[in-house]
Amino acid sequence: EAQVTQNPRYLITVTGKKLTVTCSQNMNHEYMSWYRQDPGLGLRQIYYSMNVEVTDKGDVPEGYKVSRKEKRNFPLILESPSPNQTSLYFCASSPSSSGELFFGEGSRLTVL
Amino acid sequence: AQRVTQPEKLLSVFKGAPVELKCNYSYSGSPELFWYVQYSRQRLQLLLRHISRESIKGFTADLNKGETSFHLKKPFAQEEDSAMYYCALSGAGPSSNTGKLIFGQGTTLQVKP
Repeated sequence: EAQVTQNPRYLITVTGKKLTVTCSQNMNHEYMSWYRQDPGLGLRQIYYSMNVEVTDKGDVPEGYKVSRKEKRNFPLILESPSPNQTSLYFCASSPSSSGELFFGEGSRLTVL
Repeated sequence: AQRVTQPEKLLSVFKGAPVELKCNYSYSGSPELFWYVQYSRQRLQLLLRHISRESIKGFTADLNKGETSFHLKKPFAQEEDSAMYYCALSGAGPSSNTGKLIFGQGTTLQVKP
């Protein structure tokens, strides 16, 4: 089944403890991105990647890192999480820059 | 600045009533607009895009460049339409090929029996 898979789906952690949220897609899409969803703010783009080894900042990149070593994977790294990074995170992929994004199920992160 | 505005956080209607979810945008070029839907406990998914000019699940949306709007409409709401709806704008990065979407704040549609 064609899909975008995120892990973990739920995570509670403490301030400063590094964590990685993985994202994998099996559709051979070139474009991948990360969004965070917060009440009243909608979805805001954190980082995106046009292809392997090509990444760039979105609207809210502070406190996050990404890498794109393989086409299918696009992990989101929080080197030193803080409580303001408590949010619902979505990974998405697209076959092109067409704007039709395929989303993962979301990862709910709580930073205490 | 590129922006998408959905003025209503919550829209509550009765089953069978018409529905209009408002979306206004700000963009200097030729925008590509979308509606995404998120049903309870499901992932976000594309509902429709303006270039397709299609009707999905009875929903339609017309791009009005004069009013910079892309309102989502359905003549008769169903209970299964209850969900969060996001309007989104593409072509909003420094290059139109970034694939980036700018999302509105979202509108929760509640269809009561």
